[in-house]
Amino acid sequence: DAKTTQPNSMESNEEEPVHLPCNHSTISGTDYIHWYRQLPSQGPEYVIHGLTSNVNNRMASLAIAEDRKSSTLILHRATLRDAAVYYCILARGSTLGRLYFGRGTQLTVWP
Amino acid sequence: NAGVMQNPRHLVRRRGQEARLRCSPMKGHSHVYWYRQLPEEGLKFMVYLQKENIIDESGMPKERFSAEFPKEGPSILRIQQVVRGDSAAYFCASSPMGQGEKLFFGSGTQLSVL
Repeated sequence: DAKTTQPNSMESNEEEPVHLPCNHSTISGTDYIHWYRQLPSQGPEYVIHGLTSNVNNRMASLAIAEDRKSSTLILHRATLRDAAVYYCILARGSTLGRLYFGRGTQLTVWP
Repeated sequence: NAGVMQNPRHLVRRRGQEARLRCSPMKGHSHVYWYRQLPEEGLKFMVYLQKENIIDESGMPKERFSAEFPKEGPSILRIQQVVRGDSAAYFCASSPMGQGEKLFFGSGTQLSVL
């Protein structure tokens, strides 16, 4: 499975935008880029995913580089409830749910 | 619309005992996945099941661990003769289709082996 690289930690102030980067230089053409987040003592929660085009949903936006070797998860206005570990994951249709969770990025949000 | 339900939330076992972890997928979901998270680490895939079938058990230890998803009832992850190294959070996820597009996770079972 292709791997991703994320910063160990990031910080933000409440109500400010947050840009969480992810490098995936070995991505293949059939890999989707998924983001999950995990709050303390909870299971991971799906955030967003995309293939080539930028994606928006009610939780976040996903900006994918033109060469697909990197992507950025954008939280438009961070809240205290967004403090979590964010995982950037590459997944293929053939992966059948066998997602590779790395260490992720621990996001701290300050009031 | 209940999410993925796991029980128990916490399970304490002594070395050598058996641990049974249960997972009820979301309504309408027929694909179940088990993951394990050791302290300070990311989640690791263990096994993928459909009703009455094991599709992929490549992440599950060959000994002492087994999983099932019967036609009726929850999926069960069974760990026999537990050891201290089995202490971890075990998460179950489900999806409506086995394409891994979007997984819905439960809150996990925290297994502590004394």
